[in-house]
Amino acid sequence: GAVVSQHPSRVICKSGTSVKIECRSLDFQATTMFWYRQFPKQSLMLMATSNEGSKATYEQGVEKDKFLINHASLTLSTLTVTSAHPEDSSFYICSAPRLRGLTPDTQYFGPGTRLTVL
Amino acid sequence: AQKVTQAQTEISVVEKEDVTLDCVYETRDTTYYLFWYKQPPSGELVFLIRRNSFDEQNEISGRYSWNFQKSTSSFNFTITASQVVDSAVYFCALRVGAGRRALTFGSGTRLQVQP
Repeated sequence: GAVVSQHPSRVICKSGTSVKIECRSLDFQATTMFWYRQFPKQSLMLMATSNEGSKATYEQGVEKDKFLINHASLTLSTLTVTSAHPEDSSFYICSAPRLRGLTPDTQYFGPGTRLTVL
Repeated sequence: AQKVTQAQTEISVVEKEDVTLDCVYETRDTTYYLFWYKQPPSGELVFLIRRNSFDEQNEISGRYSWNFQKSTSSFNFTITASQVVDSAVYFCALRVGAGRRALTFGSGTRLQVQP
């Protein structure tokens, strides 16, 4: 079946550095991907919608200059957390929907990336 | 705007008990999809079920069953004869329309099944 992968699964970085997280659809093309953030013991909150060939759409309150999204190809979206701070420590999860004609799309979630900023 | 409410923050049961996780949703759209996901400690979301707004039939899959009632905007999830491996956080989610849309998640219910 379809799979979405994320890399890295876990990253620890120092405050002020930038971290890139990759999200790949492994056996289907995804012109749209979603990035969610989950703080400890909280729900998943949509951060942004990544669109291949165009700019990402950010949810209210998400800084686009801090969370850079690049949908480089039909199978890859990257999220770069720039100048990371401890408050950016979170679990980042991507998802990719695969359309199946007129039937509702099936959305596949990546395994998540746990970011810890020291 | 869409909203999903899971009023139960945490539930603790003893193995073999039945447990129901509640989910109430809000949307003005007539076409929408409801989901349940399981999130074990590893963090990876495990898809459990998807139900569209035009299909109110209840569904049973092994020890899992779902009760969808549009009249009360609820999509409840029951685990029969719970097991320790069922311990996880369970999320109910909503997506309006078809196509490339994101999901709106509830706050989740943490289920602890004690041996």
